[in-house]
Amino acid sequence: AQTVTQSQPEMSVQEAETVTLSCTYDTSESDYYLFWYKQPPSRQMILVIRQEAYKQQNATENRFSVNFQKAAKSFSLKISDSQLGDAAMYFCAYLGYNNNDMRFGAGTRLTVKP
Amino acid sequence: EPEVTQTPSHQVTQMGQEVILRCVPISNHLYFYWYRQILGQKVEFLVSFYNNEISEKSEIFDDQFSVERPDGSNFTLKIRSTKLEDSAMYFCASSEAVATNEKLFFGSGTQLSVL
Repeated sequence: AQTVTQSQPEMSVQEAETVTLSCTYDTSESDYYLFWYKQPPSRQMILVIRQEAYKQQNATENRFSVNFQKAAKSFSLKISDSQLGDAAMYFCAYLGYNNNDMRFGAGTRLTVKP
Repeated sequence: EPEVTQTPSHQVTQMGQEVILRCVPISNHLYFYWYRQILGQKVEFLVSFYNNEISEKSEIFDDQFSVERPDGSNFTLKIRSTKLEDSAMYFCASSEAVATNEKLFFGSGTQLSVL
């Protein structure tokens, strides 16, 4: 079964600086999708960024970018120019091709210090 | 932006009681999902639903759980006889196509407290 591991339960960053959240996963599939979701205190689940495994180019969304290392099964999230509103729980997630069973990591709580 | 709506935001029930959690997915979406998150733990997939039937379900989704799309707009999760361990945040989600091709839109969740 696919598993997703987030080894950092908590991270903190100074406002305007850059932080990287780690995620590794285990799979035997070659085609799959990876996601980062943000969960603010309201507990909504907000999609931050999405990466297709067949794409070599790392996905970017404004201040958010990923470092996708397929061979290493690693999918880290970089947040540049951190803002106070970035403070939240961040979940890494895996979804197999033609699958609906999204697997989430345990989450990383990000604190942003003013 | 269109959104998935869940009601109620918080539900309290007695152990052994039936509870129905309601969701209104985005109107042109065809795929519907329920996830749950026990406090302090990861989000877990429960079930996906397409074309009026379950397309996938996890080992959590046992006979105590059922889903229904009763009227073409609502998508409900029923727990027949709630247990203490069913206390969690339940998220509904929908997508226009299979989750791999289109992003999931999550609702704000229903916090279920079983006493």
